[in-house]
Amino acid sequence: GESVGLHLPTLSVQEGDNSIINCAYSNSASDYFIWYKQESGKGPQFIIDIRSNMDKRQGQRVTVLLNKTVKHLSLQIAATQPGDSAVYFCAENGVYNTDKLIFGTGTRLQVFP
Amino acid sequence: EAQVTQNPRYLITVTGKKLTVTCSQNMNHEYMSWYRQDPGLGLRQIYYSMNVEVTDKGDVPEGYKVSRKEKRNFPLILESPSPNQTSLYFCASSPLSPSQGGNEQYFGPGTRLTVT
Repeated sequence: GESVGLHLPTLSVQEGDNSIINCAYSNSASDYFIWYKQESGKGPQFIIDIRSNMDKRQGQRVTVLLNKTVKHLSLQIAATQPGDSAVYFCAENGVYNTDKLIFGTGTRLQVFP
Repeated sequence: EAQVTQNPRYLITVTGKKLTVTCSQNMNHEYMSWYRQDPGLGLRQIYYSMNVEVTDKGDVPEGYKVSRKEKRNFPLILESPSPNQTSLYFCASSPLSPSQGGNEQYFGPGTRLTVT
Protein backbone atom coordinates (compact mmCIF):
# COMPACT_ATOMS: atom_id res chain seq x y z
CA GLY A 1 0.00 0.00 0.00
CA GLU A 2 0.94 3.66 -0.21
CA SER A 3 3.10 5.05 2.52
CA VAL A 4 1.39 7.91 4.30
CA GLY A 5 4.33 9.06 6.29
CA LEU A 6 7.57 8.14 7.93
CA HIS A 7 8.49 8.79 11.53
CA LEU A 8 4.96 9.59 12.57
CA PRO A 9 4.15 9.74 16.27
CA THR A 10 2.77 6.34 17.13
CA LEU A 11 0.22 5.29 19.69
CA SER A 12 0.12 1.60 20.52
CA VAL A 13 -2.92 0.27 22.36
CA GLN A 14 -4.27 -3.10 23.24
CA GLU A 15 -7.46 -4.29 21.62
CA GLY A 16 -10.42 -3.35 23.77
CA ASP A 17 -8.74 -0.41 25.45
CA ASN A 18 -9.69 3.19 24.81
CA SER A 19 -7.45 5.32 22.61
CA ILE A 20 -6.84 9.04 22.83
CA ILE A 21 -5.19 10.79 19.92
CA ASN A 22 -4.17 14.38 20.43
CA CYS A 23 -3.73 17.31 18.10
CA ALA A 24 -2.50 20.82 18.74
CA TYR A 25 -3.95 23.19 16.20
CA SER A 26 -2.35 26.39 15.09
CA ASN A 27 -4.95 29.13 14.78
CA SER A 28 -7.01 30.33 17.71
CA ALA A 29 -9.58 31.80 15.30
CA SER A 30 -10.24 28.53 13.45
CA ASP A 31 -13.86 27.56 13.86
CA TYR A 32 -14.15 24.15 12.25
CA PHE A 33 -12.21 21.00 13.02
CA ILE A 34 -12.25 17.53 11.53
CA TRP A 35 -10.71 14.17 12.25
CA TYR A 36 -9.79 11.81 9.44
CA LYS A 37 -8.61 8.21 9.38
CA GLN A 38 -6.30 6.91 6.69
CA GLU A 39 -5.66 3.22 6.24
CA SER A 40 -2.70 1.99 4.29
CA GLY A 41 -3.22 2.36 0.55
CA LYS A 42 -6.42 4.36 0.86
CA GLY A 43 -7.56 7.95 0.88
CA PRO A 44 -8.48 9.66 4.15
CA GLN A 45 -11.89 8.90 5.56
CA PHE A 46 -13.99 11.38 7.53
CA ILE A 47 -14.57 10.37 11.14
CA ILE A 48 -16.13 13.29 12.95
CA ASP A 49 -16.16 17.07 12.96
CA ILE A 50 -16.81 19.81 15.49
CA ARG A 51 -17.41 23.53 15.33
CA SER A 52 -15.82 25.96 17.74
CA ASN A 53 -19.09 26.70 19.54
CA MET A 54 -18.95 23.17 20.95
CA ASP A 55 -16.58 21.49 23.41
CA LYS A 56 -17.53 17.91 22.73
CA ARG A 57 -19.19 15.85 20.10
CA GLN A 58 -19.88 12.15 20.06
CA GLY A 59 -20.22 9.69 17.27
CA GLN A 60 -20.29 5.95 17.11
CA ARG A 61 -17.47 4.83 19.41
CA VAL A 62 -15.68 8.14 18.89
CA THR A 63 -15.69 11.41 20.79
CA VAL A 64 -13.98 14.63 19.82
CA LEU A 65 -13.03 17.12 22.49
CA LEU A 66 -12.11 20.71 21.76
CA ASN A 67 -10.20 22.88 24.21
CA LYS A 68 -9.99 26.34 22.68
CA THR A 69 -8.06 27.77 25.61
CA VAL A 70 -4.99 25.70 24.81
CA LYS A 71 -5.81 25.07 21.12
CA HIS A 72 -6.08 21.35 21.62
CA LEU A 73 -8.21 18.77 19.91
CA SER A 74 -8.49 15.13 20.86
CA LEU A 75 -10.10 12.05 19.40
CA GLN A 76 -11.18 9.34 21.76
CA ILE A 77 -11.91 5.88 20.41
CA ALA A 78 -13.75 3.53 22.73
CA ALA A 79 -13.01 -0.19 22.79
CA THR A 80 -10.31 0.04 20.15
CA GLN A 81 -10.42 -2.68 17.52
CA PRO A 82 -7.80 -3.98 15.08
CA GLY A 83 -9.70 -2.24 12.28
CA ASP A 84 -8.94 1.07 13.96
CA SER A 85 -5.26 0.71 13.10
CA ALA A 86 -4.49 3.60 10.77
CA VAL A 87 -3.02 7.08 10.61
CA TYR A 88 -5.26 9.76 12.11
CA PHE A 89 -5.20 13.39 11.00
CA CYS A 90 -6.80 16.43 12.50
CA ALA A 91 -7.66 19.39 10.28
CA GLU A 92 -8.75 22.96 10.90
CA ASN A 93 -10.14 25.55 8.57
CA GLY A 94 -8.08 28.60 7.72
CA VAL A 95 -8.40 31.87 9.57
CA TYR A 96 -8.14 34.46 6.82
CA ASN A 97 -9.76 32.08 4.39
CA THR A 98 -12.22 29.90 6.21
CA ASP A 99 -12.74 27.64 3.22
CA LYS A 100 -9.18 26.33 3.29
CA LEU A 101 -8.36 23.21 5.26
CA ILE A 102 -5.07 22.78 7.11
CA PHE A 103 -4.08 19.27 8.13
CA GLY A 104 -1.82 18.11 10.91
CA THR A 105 0.97 15.66 10.19
CA GLY A 106 -0.84 12.67 11.65
CA THR A 107 -0.57 10.05 14.38
CA ARG A 108 -0.26 6.36 13.71
CA LEU A 109 -2.50 4.13 15.83
CA GLN A 110 -1.40 0.53 16.23
CA VAL A 111 -3.74 -1.93 17.88
CA PHE A 112 -2.27 -5.15 19.16
CA PRO A 113 -4.18 -8.20 20.43
CA GLU B 1 -22.29 4.10 -5.55
CA ALA B 2 -21.25 7.50 -4.19
CA GLN B 3 -17.61 8.02 -4.95
CA VAL B 4 -14.73 10.21 -6.01
CA THR B 5 -12.65 8.82 -8.85
CA GLN B 6 -9.19 9.85 -9.94
CA ASN B 7 -7.20 8.93 -13.00
CA PRO B 8 -4.57 7.82 -13.45
CA ARG B 9 -3.78 6.02 -10.21
CA TYR B 10 -0.08 5.85 -11.00
CA LEU B 11 1.96 8.03 -13.34
CA ILE B 12 5.65 8.29 -14.06
CA THR B 13 6.63 11.21 -16.23
CA VAL B 14 9.56 13.42 -17.09
CA THR B 15 10.30 17.00 -16.15
CA GLY B 16 8.43 19.52 -18.24
CA LYS B 17 5.88 17.23 -19.83
CA LYS B 18 2.43 18.62 -19.19
CA LEU B 19 -0.01 16.29 -17.47
CA THR B 20 -3.55 16.29 -16.14
CA VAL B 21 -4.95 14.25 -13.30
CA THR B 22 -8.70 13.95 -13.54
CA CYS B 23 -11.12 13.96 -10.64
CA SER B 24 -14.83 13.27 -10.80
CA GLN B 25 -17.55 12.96 -8.16
CA ASN B 26 -21.09 11.68 -8.60
CA MET B 27 -22.63 13.18 -5.46
CA ASN B 28 -23.47 16.67 -6.77
CA HIS B 29 -21.08 18.16 -4.23
CA GLU B 30 -20.27 21.84 -4.41
CA TYR B 31 -16.89 21.83 -2.69
CA MET B 32 -13.96 20.05 -4.30
CA SER B 33 -10.34 20.10 -3.37
CA TRP B 34 -6.89 18.79 -4.31
CA TYR B 35 -4.25 17.75 -1.80
CA ARG B 36 -0.76 16.42 -1.95
CA GLN B 37 0.61 14.10 0.69
CA ASP B 38 4.30 13.83 1.45
CA PRO B 39 6.06 11.88 4.22
CA GLY B 40 6.32 13.93 7.38
CA LEU B 41 4.25 16.78 5.98
CA GLY B 42 0.78 15.34 6.06
CA LEU B 43 -1.85 16.55 3.63
CA ARG B 44 -1.47 19.98 2.11
CA GLN B 45 -4.21 21.66 0.15
CA ILE B 46 -3.28 22.73 -3.36
CA TYR B 47 -6.48 24.26 -4.70
CA TYR B 48 -10.13 24.13 -3.86
CA SER B 49 -13.37 25.05 -5.57
CA MET B 50 -16.58 26.30 -4.04
CA ASN B 51 -18.64 25.70 -7.17
CA VAL B 52 -18.52 25.81 -10.95
CA GLU B 53 -16.07 28.46 -12.18
CA VAL B 54 -15.08 29.30 -8.58
CA THR B 55 -11.59 28.20 -7.59
CA ASP B 56 -9.08 29.41 -5.03
CA LYS B 57 -5.58 28.68 -3.87
CA GLY B 58 -4.78 26.43 -0.98
CA ASP B 59 -1.47 26.35 0.84
CA VAL B 60 0.74 25.02 -1.96
CA PRO B 61 -0.66 26.15 -5.32
CA GLU B 62 2.65 26.90 -7.07
CA GLY B 63 3.15 24.82 -10.19
CA TYR B 64 -0.46 23.68 -10.38
CA LYS B 65 -3.62 24.77 -12.15
CA VAL B 66 -7.19 23.65 -11.80
CA SER B 67 -10.48 24.23 -13.54
CA ARG B 68 -14.12 23.68 -12.63
CA LYS B 69 -16.16 23.86 -15.79
CA GLU B 70 -18.66 21.29 -14.58
CA LYS B 71 -19.79 20.55 -11.07
CA ARG B 72 -18.68 16.94 -11.12
CA ASN B 73 -15.14 17.42 -12.52
CA PHE B 74 -12.10 19.11 -11.02
CA PRO B 75 -8.94 18.30 -12.97
CA LEU B 76 -5.47 19.10 -11.66
CA ILE B 77 -3.04 20.34 -14.29
CA LEU B 78 0.72 20.40 -14.05
CA GLU B 79 1.89 22.55 -16.97
CA SER B 80 5.59 21.82 -16.46
CA PRO B 81 6.09 19.14 -13.82
CA SER B 82 9.27 19.14 -11.77
CA PRO B 83 10.75 16.45 -9.51
CA ASN B 84 9.59 18.31 -6.37
CA GLN B 85 6.04 17.59 -7.48
CA THR B 86 6.61 13.89 -7.01
CA SER B 87 3.95 13.05 -4.45
CA LEU B 88 0.71 11.28 -3.65
CA TYR B 89 -2.27 13.36 -4.75
CA PHE B 90 -5.81 13.19 -3.44
CA CYS B 91 -8.96 14.75 -4.74
CA ALA B 92 -11.87 15.26 -2.36
CA SER B 93 -15.41 16.59 -2.39
CA SER B 94 -18.02 17.57 0.17
CA PRO B 95 -21.57 18.91 0.02
CA LEU B 96 -20.54 22.23 1.53
CA SER B 97 -17.37 24.18 2.13
CA PRO B 98 -15.87 24.38 5.65
CA SER B 99 -17.30 27.86 6.22
CA GLN B 100 -20.75 26.72 5.09
CA GLY B 101 -20.85 23.88 7.57
CA GLY B 102 -18.38 21.47 6.07
CA ASN B 103 -19.89 18.04 6.38
CA GLU B 104 -18.19 14.87 5.38
CA GLN B 105 -15.43 15.19 2.82
CA TYR B 106 -15.05 12.17 0.54
CA PHE B 107 -11.57 11.39 -0.78
CA GLY B 108 -10.57 9.67 -3.96
CA PRO B 109 -8.17 6.71 -3.95
CA GLY B 110 -5.10 8.79 -4.71
CA THR B 111 -2.71 9.28 -7.63
CA ARG B 112 0.95 8.42 -7.17
CA LEU B 113 2.95 10.78 -9.38
CA THR B 114 6.67 10.44 -10.01
CA VAL B 115 8.49 13.12 -11.97
CA THR B 116 12.01 12.22 -13.10
